Amino acid sequence: DVKVTQSSRYLVKRTGEKVFLECVQDMDHENMFWYRQDPGLGLRLIYFSYDVKMKEKGDIPEGYSVSREKKERFSLILESASTNQTSMYLCTSTRGNPRNEQFFGPGTRLTVL
Amino acid sequence: DAKTTQPPSMDCAEGRAANLPCNHSTISGNEYVYWYRQIHSQGPQYIIHGLKNNETNEMASLIITEDRKSSTLILPHATLRDTAVYYCIVRVANTGNQFYFGTGTSLTVIP
Repeated sequence: DVKVTQSSRYLVKRTGEKVFLECVQDMDHENMFWYRQDPGLGLRLIYFSYDVKMKEKGDIPEGYSVSREKKERFSLILESASTNQTSMYLCTSTRGNPRNEQFFGPGTRLTVL
Repeated sequence: DAKTTQPPSMDCAEGRAANLPCNHSTISGNEYVYWYRQIHSQGPQYIIHGLKNNETNEMASLIITEDRKSSTLILPHATLRDTAVYYCIVRVANTGNQFYFGTGTSLTVIP
């Protein structure tokens, strides 16, 4: 069964903390993505990776970094969490072919106090 | 990057066909149109995609205009469980194959 998992469904952190959001896929997909979703703004792309140790900035990379040391794992890092990073974070993966169906994880709702 | 425009909300009577429009006037020849939906508190779910021809699967039909500048997702017999936000997405044709999501259409199926 196809699966993308995220380390936490709900997370509460304090301003200034370093936050790690983990995403793992078991489909041997090359491409992985991190989005955030906010009311009225839809899904916005933060970072993506098309290979191990490769990363590309999306629309809103400021305040975030990523790590892809293994093909199955893509981590989103908030170096110093701020209240405006309170959001729903969604990880997805795709196979590198024209069909490109994206498989979404369940999401992590992060609250920064 | 080709972007999409969708109405923010629509209503549909249960059992009737729901027709969700999408404009993508800057789409390029090798870009696919994808549709996803997101039911409250879940991750988005793939529905259907197409390039030029109309497509149909067990969930929906996708009608793409001849000039490819717009498309319509059709749910033939809407049920209450189809209440969701529907996203029309154009796939950028480069290495990253990233998807750009807009704000989608919030469909409410009314009993």
